[in-house]
Amino acid sequence: QVQLVQSGSEVKRTGSSVRVSCTASGGTFSTYAFSWVRQAPGQGLEWMGAIIPITATTNYAQKFQGRVTISADVSTSTSYMALSSLRSEDTAVYYCARSIEMATMANFDYWGQGTLVTVSS
Amino acid sequence: DIQLTQSPSFLSASVGDRVTITCRASQGIRSYLAWYQQKPGKAPKLLIYAVSTLQSGVPSRFSGSESGTEFTLTISGLQPEDFATYYCQQFHNSPFTFGPGTKVDIK
Repeated sequence: QVQLVQSGSEVKRTGSSVRVSCTASGGTFSTYAFSWVRQAPGQGLEWMGAIIPITATTNYAQKFQGRVTISADVSTSTSYMALSSLRSEDTAVYYCARSIEMATMANFDYWGQGTLVTVSS
Repeated sequence: DIQLTQSPSFLSASVGDRVTITCRASQGIRSYLAWYQQKPGKAPKLLIYAVSTLQSGVPSRFSGSESGTEFTLTISGLQPEDFATYYCQQFHNSPFTFGPGTKVDIK
């Protein structure tokens, strides 16, 4: 069965960067799209961007353009999300999610367990 | 960006009740709408995609429909495990925005 396993919690200083990993098992990694979604404490879900590993095609939310980089390593079935210039408002649980449909990057059928990133000064 | 609004934001219901949650899009999104269920401390779970297609393994008491830019998630016969927060998400345009959520609580 498909599993997405994310890296552990992080505590970062304001202005620094963080990289979260998401390793997939039980499926064909390169033929799906993977998105990153975050959820601030007590808040709703926010889509940040996505990647199609087989083509390295990325799609970022304008809000995060220039600060987020989503990448993928097909050889290890791992997607990465790097976020720079961290501020307190970036404190959130970050999820990776697999799309049912590669071309549209739509419909997230499998999710990672979430990674808490805490940003403080 | 396409804005999604959900109503109600909170509802209190009893086991066995029929529950309806509405999601409205700020512009046309065709059939690019999905519904997720999230329980505290857990990742969201895909319930329905393409407006009305039930994800594999999801009970048939969940259903989805649309009328123009208004989309509806219906739970026919609420079960104890259905108390959670529900989100809609559109995939018509990037960014793939979520609605603000509807929390379903026990009456």
